Amino acid sequence: LAKTTQPISMDSYEGQEVNITCSHNNIATNDYITWYQQFPSQGPRFIIQGYKTKVTNEVASLFIPADRKSSTLSLPRVSLSDTAVYYCLVGEGDTDKLIFGTGTRLQVFP
Amino acid sequence: EPEVTQTPSHQVTQMGQEVILRCVPISNHLYFYWYRQILGQKVEFLVSFYNNEISEKSEIFDDQFSVERPDGSNFTLKIRSTKLEDSAMYFCASLTSGSSSYEQYFGPGTRLTVT
Repeated sequence: LAKTTQPISMDSYEGQEVNITCSHNNIATNDYITWYQQFPSQGPRFIIQGYKTKVTNEVASLFIPADRKSSTLSLPRVSLSDTAVYYCLVGEGDTDKLIFGTGTRLQVFP
Repeated sequence: EPEVTQTPSHQVTQMGQEVILRCVPISNHLYFYWYRQILGQKVEFLVSFYNNEISEKSEIFDDQFSVERPDGSNFTLKIRSTKLEDSAMYFCASLTSGSSSYEQYFGPGTRLTVT
């Protein structure tokens, strides 16, 4: 699986938009980009997945530039409950195991 | 919303003992996984299971580990002779389809403490 690099931590305030960028310079043609969220002592939770351009769901948006060497998870108007670790994963179509990095620890302040 | 369940939530065992961690995946899912997370560290893949057999396993998943889907609903992870370093959160996950989807549903985890 392609290695990913993302900031170790980020701080934000309630109501702000948060953008977490992930680098994946070695992404392969058939790799998808997936983001997970994890609260302390809980299992990871799928947020969003994309291949190219932009994907949006009820929770977040995922922006992927044309070269696909990076991606940005955008969380609109965060709340205190969005405080968690966010993982960027890049996976190949022929294996479904998830390889987690250290993630980005997002702290939201009131 | 359907969810993956795991039991027990916390298991304390002595070194050398066998433990069985249980999971009930989402009913129409076909792919099953175990991951672990040592306190303060990354989530690590252990094994994937499809069509009643292991499809992939990591280096962590040695001869002390085994998985089973005994009755079509439960999915178990057995550690034959636990070591201190097996202390971790163990997460079960399931997936409806393995084709280009990484939307795995994780359970709440079992905290295993080996003393």
